[in-house]
Amino acid sequence: AQSVTQLDSQVPVFEEAPVELRCNYSSSVSVYLFWYVQYPNQGLQLLLKYLSGSTLVKGINGFEAEFNKSQTSFHLRKPSVHISDTAEYFCAVSKAAGNKLTFGGGTRVLVKP
Amino acid sequence: NAGVMQNPRHLVRRRGQEARLRCSPMKGHSHVYWYRQLPEEGLKFMVYLQKENIIDESGMPKERFSAEFPKEGPSILRIQQVVRGDSAAYFCASSPGTAVLAGGAYEQYFGPGTRLTVT
Repeated sequence: AQSVTQLDSQVPVFEEAPVELRCNYSSSVSVYLFWYVQYPNQGLQLLLKYLSGSTLVKGINGFEAEFNKSQTSFHLRKPSVHISDTAEYFCAVSKAAGNKLTFGGGTRVLVKP
Repeated sequence: NAGVMQNPRHLVRRRGQEARLRCSPMKGHSHVYWYRQLPEEGLKFMVYLQKENIIDESGMPKERFSAEFPKEGPSILRIQQVVRGDSAAYFCASSPGTAVLAGGAYEQYFGPGTRLTVT
């Protein structure tokens, strides 16, 4: 079985400051890794994904994440946040093609002016 | 190209009634997944379906819940005799059935969700 832990449930951050959201996973097999964003009362939008290859993955809206196999982590970063980045962020893993996603508990990011 | 559509967006049911949630996948997608987001909790997988087949229902409650994805029409998540604990946001996602992305992972596209309130 696989599991995902998002270490921070809430992250307050000032506008234009950097932010890092932590995600650790456990799995007995190789996994694919994803970050999704959920704006209030909306569905989930894919920010980025790691399938294979380069461990540094760039996504939409200036976000990037780094896959670290030895630490089983997939932390999300953005060098300078905007007010519009206020949302909940979910890290997820899936075992294989066409497989269900296992989500972390989510991290709420509140960007302050 | 329309995204994943879910309806209704909001549904209010009294205890004991039935709830039917509909999901139309993206055009060309033949895989559908249902997830539930309970208040103050993350998203939990419920069921994975392909056309006319249930592939994985390991996350479905054993009673009152059922899902289908017929050959024609949307996928339906059905909750019989709803209870207050069923109040949640239910999200549907779809992925392509034959197109293979790099590495073989099928990216899932999510709908806006149906927010079920049981009174």
